[in-house]
Amino acid sequence: DAGVIQSPRHEVTEMGQEVTLRCKPISGHNSLFWYRQTMMRGLELLIYFNNNVPIDDSGMPEDRFSAKMPNASFSTLKIQPSEPRDSAVYFCASSLRAGDQPQHFGDGTRLSIL
Amino acid sequence: GESVGLHLPTLSVQEGDNSIINCAYSNSASDYFIWYKQESGKGPQFIIDIRSNMDKRQGQRVTVLLNKTVKHLSLQIAATQPGDSAVYFCAENGNTDKLIFGTGTRLQVFP
Repeated sequence: DAGVIQSPRHEVTEMGQEVTLRCKPISGHNSLFWYRQTMMRGLELLIYFNNNVPIDDSGMPEDRFSAKMPNASFSTLKIQPSEPRDSAVYFCASSLRAGDQPQHFGDGTRLSIL
Repeated sequence: GESVGLHLPTLSVQEGDNSIINCAYSNSASDYFIWYKQESGKGPQFIIDIRSNMDKRQGQRVTVLLNKTVKHLSLQIAATQPGDSAVYFCAENGNTDKLIFGTGTRLQVFP
């Protein structure tokens, strides 16, 4: 069975550029989560959706970050403009239901902002 | 100056021995707990979960123990193999829709 699919796997771009990260959750999962992982801060939840609706975006660092889920099979995380401190690994995860079901993670996008 | 990252505790075990990874959770209202394994370059991989109405749950070669009195969670891996080498994270839900992850423990398996 296909797991959570993220693209691209790696992204290197210059500061000031727009970055778009993509995620396809597991079919049938109703909740989708975006995380950021760094050596300094570990794994941080940025935002999550239930049934395509954003529920909690309190982890989004600044207005430069935005996330959408136009349908049940696709989500994007956008950074505009990007800054070097945004460099991290970004993970998408999905679950049948938020809170009491396992979240299944993709393999992440390693983002480097020069 | 040099950046300081999270210091991951490390557990070193010999191949074939049993491993026990411990986790102290913070929220007594948490009713769902989960363990993940993360290998280099990959996303966290679900291992096993447990709800607060249970004290113990077993999977294949793994056992999770929950002690709500002292807010402690442990993961036991039987007959540890080189492929078990990874960083292991515990997470709790804080009785919310979110998971709160610990900082992780690095497991090193040597022959």
